[in-house]
Amino acid sequence: SQQGEEDPQALSIQEGENATMNCSYKTSINNLQWYRQNSGRGLVHLILIRSNEREKHSGRLRVTLDTSKKSSSLLITASRAADTASYFCATTSGGSYIPTFGRGTSLIVHP
Amino acid sequence: DAGVIQSPRHEVTEMGQEVTLRCKPISGHNSLFWYRQTMMRGLELLIYFNNNVPIDDSGMPEDRFSAKMPNASFSTLKIQPSEPRDSAVYFCASSGQGRTEAFFGQGTRLTVV
Repeated sequence: SQQGEEDPQALSIQEGENATMNCSYKTSINNLQWYRQNSGRGLVHLILIRSNEREKHSGRLRVTLDTSKKSSSLLITASRAADTASYFCATTSGGSYIPTFGRGTSLIVHP
Repeated sequence: DAGVIQSPRHEVTEMGQEVTLRCKPISGHNSLFWYRQTMMRGLELLIYFNNNVPIDDSGMPEDRFSAKMPNASFSTLKIQPSEPRDSAVYFCASSGQGRTEAFFGQGTRLTVV
C-alpha cells in the first residue's frame, strides 16, 4: 500500500517556469525522499530530507517538509525540457529501511 | 560503478511458462529490494533482503512468486506459472548499510500473453 501520495498527478509547464509537486503521507516518518523516473528507465534518487529537517536544497531542487501536516513539496526552479519525467516521493518509518513509494507526478516541460 | 544490473530488459512469455528475473546489486550494498510497477497499482514492494536474508516478503502476491538471494551479488525473482496479470515492469534496487536511499536497476518489462 502507498504511504505517500503525490499531487498533482500530472503537471505541464513551459521551460523556465518553476514546478511544484506535493506529497502527503499518513504515518510518522524517519525521512522522506524524492526520486525521478525518466520514461522506460529506473528511478533515480534526488534528495533525502530527515524528519527533523524543514528545508533542503540541491542545485535547482528545493524540498520542504512539514511533519505537522504530514506533507512535503518538491520545487524545481527554472525548469528545463530535460526535467520531463515522473517524480515520486518515498518514506521510511519506524525501524524500517524500506522506502514506500507514492503514485508519482508526471511532469512535462515544454521547450 | 556499474550500478544495479538487471536481466533481461524485456521478456515476453506465454501464460503458464516459468519466468526468472535476475539482479546484481551494487557491490557493498547489503539491502536488496524487488519492486513491481504497473499503471494501476504504482510501485509495490515485493520482497526485501538484508544481508542475503529475506526480511519482508509480505508483498509477494502469491505462491507463484519466489525470490532468492544465494549470495551478496545475485538475486532472482521467479514466477511459476506466469499469468497475464503478472505483466509489469519489475525493478531491483539496492542500498548500503544503514542507508535508505535506493539505487534502482533499469527494470525488466515482463509481458505474459
